[in-house]
Formats: sequence, structure tokens, C-alpha cells
Amino acid sequence: AQSVAQPEDQVNVAEGNPLTVKCTYSVSGNPYLFWYVQYPNRGLQFLLKYITGDNLVKGSYGFEAEFNKSQTSFHLKKPSALVSDSALYFCAVRDYSNTGKLIFGQGTTLQVKP
Amino acid sequence: EAGVTQSPTHLIKTRGQQATLRCSPISGHTSVYWYQQALGLGLQFLLWYDEGEERNRGNFPPRFSGRQFPNYSSELNVNALELEDSALYLCASAPGQGTYGYTFGSGTRLTVV
Repeated sequence: AQSVAQPEDQVNVAEGNPLTVKCTYSVSGNPYLFWYVQYPNRGLQFLLKYITGDNLVKGSYGFEAEFNKSQTSFHLKKPSALVSDSALYFCAVRDYSNTGKLIFGQGTTLQVKP
Repeated sequence: EAGVTQSPTHLIKTRGQQATLRCSPISGHTSVYWYQQALGLGLQFLLWYDEGEERNRGNFPPRFSGRQFPNYSSELNVNALELEDSALYLCASAPGQGTYGYTFGSGTRLTVV
């Protein structure tokens, strides 16, 4: 069965420092991977996706993610965190059985302190 | 371009009642997905509609149902509401099967009292 794991419930970083939010996946075949961000009482906003190609994917708001096939990881990164980046981040993988659904991790709360 | 719109924003219902949630997809998107985000349970897949047909449903009881209209908008109906149905219900749309991801709406917060 396909799955996504976000091993950290919360990540705390200081403003201006680099941030990493971790995601590992388990799929059969080549994964389609996604990162979404959710601000309080809002829906999910798309950040970036990996379908194929370069392992380093650049997305919205200065975020990027590195696809690592050998480690089955897709960590979200940003070189310099902003207080406004504080939110709930979800990693997701597309279900390969043509169900149309994305399988989401449990989410990681990012707290950026000034 | 208008995004995915959901209505109402908030809904308060009494246990045992029925709730109807609505979703309008982005123009040109034929697929609509529904997810439940309950506290502590993450995002749970509910239903997928494409071209007016229910294509897949998640592990939810039959009292969760819905439909997709010819204009691709969608309704989610929850019958015989239970307290544990209180959650944020998110709708998303995509062209085709959503292979390259979805666009989400802002959600409907359903509270069952």
C-alpha cells in the first residue's frame, strides 16, 4: 500500500535560518509527490510537485524540495525562513491505483520565531 | 481565474440532521474531490467525481454521499449526522484525474452539536 510519513509533528526554526520539513514515502513504481501548505482555518495551497526530471524542485514562496529515490524522501526546504511561513505543511503522494486520490501525511506544523 | 469555491463557510447542525455542502470547481476542471479533515485525523479521502460519475470513495459509511452536476459543481451530503462528523470538509478540483495535483477550496467547517 502506498503511504506517506511526516516524522515530525512540529518544526521550530528562527527567522532567517534555513528550514527543512521531512517527508518519506512508500509507493510501488515512480512516485508523484506533492507539498501543500495550510494556514489557520483555510484550505490547502499547492507549493510544489515532483513528477519526473530534476531531483530539486522549485515551488512557490521560495520553497524547494529534494527528491531522493534511494532514501525514498521528499523533504521540503527553504534557505531563509520567514515568520509568515508558520503554518501546517502536508506531503502527499498520488495513489497509483487510478483512484484519483492523493494520500496525505499527517502534517507538520512549522513555527518560525522572530 | 476564480478558484475553487465552497459554501457555506460554516455550518452548525444538530445530531441526526442532514448537512449539504457545495463546491464549485475551477472552470475547465472536470474532477472534484472531497476530503475530511477532522482534528487529529489528518486528511481523509471521501469521494471523487469525474464527468458526473462517482469514481471512487474512501472508507466512510454510506450516509456520506454526493453528486456532481453537469456543470461539474458538486454536493456532499451527510445524513444522520454524528458528533464525530464535526470537521473541516475540503473540496478540490483538477483537470482529468488529478494526476498532477489538485487545487483546494477554503473548506466548510461543519460543527455537529
